[in-house]
Formats: sequence, structure tokens, C-alpha cells
Amino acid sequence: GGIITQTPKFLIGQEGQKLTLKCQQNFNHDTMYWYRQDSGKGLRLIYYSITENDLQKGDLSEGYDASREKKSSFSLTVTSAQKNEMAVFLCASSDNQDTQYFGPGTRLLVL
Amino acid sequence: QQKVQQSPESLSVPEGGMASLNCTSSDRNFQYFWWYRQHSGEGPKALMSIFSDGDKKEGRFTAHLNKASLHVSLHIRDSQPSDSALYFCAARAGNSGTYQRFGTGTKLQVVP
Repeated sequence: GGIITQTPKFLIGQEGQKLTLKCQQNFNHDTMYWYRQDSGKGLRLIYYSITENDLQKGDLSEGYDASREKKSSFSLTVTSAQKNEMAVFLCASSDNQDTQYFGPGTRLLVL
Repeated sequence: QQKVQQSPESLSVPEGGMASLNCTSSDRNFQYFWWYRQHSGEGPKALMSIFSDGDKKEGRFTAHLNKASLHVSLHIRDSQPSDSALYFCAARAGNSGTYQRFGTGTKLQVVP
């Protein structure tokens, strides 16, 4: 088995601030994902990466940057936090396009 | 446009009862389906995948896929309070380079 670690668990930011979320996996999976979860809207894909240094845009990439520094890690940056924004950001990994394994999430609140 | 639709939005069943959840894709290219479950405060966990027409059973969980209608259902037999969670359906097309699209989820509550 493996595990996905997301840091931090909670993130409180200010409007306009650049915020970075980190994700590590030890499954040795090739593909990693970042999702945003808002209440009542399911999971929306922000970015995914099929290998080290690869980046693919999802449905919600505007306002975000991502970086796949190495196979085991995938970072997400909120380029300019929006006031009153509240969401959970979920990281996942998979072998190719198969079943995804999720981390516990980072909860973001922007004041 | 939401490519994966789930119903109902929420569902309440008595302990020991049967829970039935539905999922339909609006994209005919989506041929591969998954069910995920998310307990409060946690990330989603995969329950099962189904890629062929018919039933697939894993313990108390049975998925049924009808590719012609792009409809997949999940049935939970002998529901337990620990089954109370948010259930997501996900689907993707068969060609490489595609990724799973998630529905908005069904909130299941199992009442003791």
C-alpha cells in the first residue's frame, strides 16, 4: 500500500496573496492530480501531470499554477487568493488513467 | 456542462436496508466508470470500477452498467451507519490522454 500526504491541512490567507499547497505520494504512480471541491459542485480538476515535469490543464486551471518537481511530488499555487474564498483542495495519484488514490485535503479560507 | 450526473442528491435509508444510487453520462465517449466514497473530513476512496455491461459485486456493494444508456448504478445491501458518506460517480473516455470527470455526488445517510 501507499499514502498521499498533503500539507498544510489548513491554510488561511489574505486577499491577493500567493498560496502554495504541497502533495507527496509513495505509490510510485506516474500520474498526479489536483482537484478543488466546493460544496454542491463535486470535484473539479485543476491540473494533472502524467510524469515528472509534465503539466496538463484541467477544467479549472485559471488562477492556478502547478509544478511536478519529481515523480513523488506535485505542488499547486493559488496565484491570487480571492476574498471569502473557501474550498478543499484534494491531491490524487494513479497508475496511468486508472483508479485514483486521494489525500486527506487542504482546507483553504481567504479572509 | 456537467458530463456526469448523479441522482438523487441525497438519500436516507434505514440500517439494514438497500441504498440505490444512480449515475448517467451525457458523453457517449465515456465508457469507463468508477464509484468513490468520501466520509466527512477525508479524501474520497475508490469503492469499485466497472467497464463491462452487467453487474459487478464486491461484498455488500453491487454496480450495474448499461453502456447503451450510459447509466451506472450502485446498490448497497444491508446498509450500515458507517456507509453514511458522500458517493461520487466518475467516468472517462477510452482514448489515452483523457481523465476522469466526477459527478456532484449523492449524500447517503443510514439511520440506525
